[in-house]
Amino acid sequence: SQKIEQNSEALNIQEGKTATLTCNYTNYSPAYLQWYRQDPGRGPVFLLLIRENEKEKRKERLKVTFDTTLKQSLFHITASQPADSATYLCALDTASGGSYIPTFGRGTSLIVHP
Amino acid sequence: DAGVIQSPRHEVTEMGQEVTLRCKPISGHDYLFWYRQTMMRGLELLIYFNNNVPIDDSGMPEDRFSAKMPNASFSTLKIQPSEPRDSAVYFCASSLLAGVTGELFFGEGSRLTVL
Repeated sequence: SQKIEQNSEALNIQEGKTATLTCNYTNYSPAYLQWYRQDPGRGPVFLLLIRENEKEKRKERLKVTFDTTLKQSLFHITASQPADSATYLCALDTASGGSYIPTFGRGTSLIVHP
Repeated sequence: DAGVIQSPRHEVTEMGQEVTLRCKPISGHDYLFWYRQTMMRGLELLIYFNNNVPIDDSGMPEDRFSAKMPNASFSTLKIQPSEPRDSAVYFCASSLLAGVTGELFFGEGSRLTVL
């Protein structure tokens, strides 16, 4: 089965710097990969989706890369702000019952210091 | 749309009691998912439905767990009897079309504590 690895240690950075989070997977390359944000006591919120034939995707201050050779996705937040502090989850599609269903990593906590 | 609505937000119960969690998906979404989140295991898929039909329940821990979707606007997850190890946050999510966009819309979760 697909194993998804995200750094369990929190990432601490200073406001204004670029935060880079990593998502590694071990088996087959998924058709798409998603990133979600989760705040304490809230449900995950979708941020970005990148497909296997896309190398990079951008949305405002967010950038996601997808390297199927390295079996890795990187999630970047440029000009980070304290409001970006949250847990970020990556999700990979996994075959299930004839569909492809997101399977989530455990997430990495990001703390942006003012 | 109000988004995915879950109830109750918090539930504290004693071991052996029945627990029912409820979910109202976003109108028009074909897929409904139940996930469980714990510190140890992260976010795990329990079961998902397509057009009210259960498709994959292989993530349901054991027979004490059951889920139903009697119509397109309502689903329940039931635990009977509950045990302390069931303590977790249970999320419901819905999606317009899995496998294409894959984007899930989550509710705010139901935090279950079994004493």
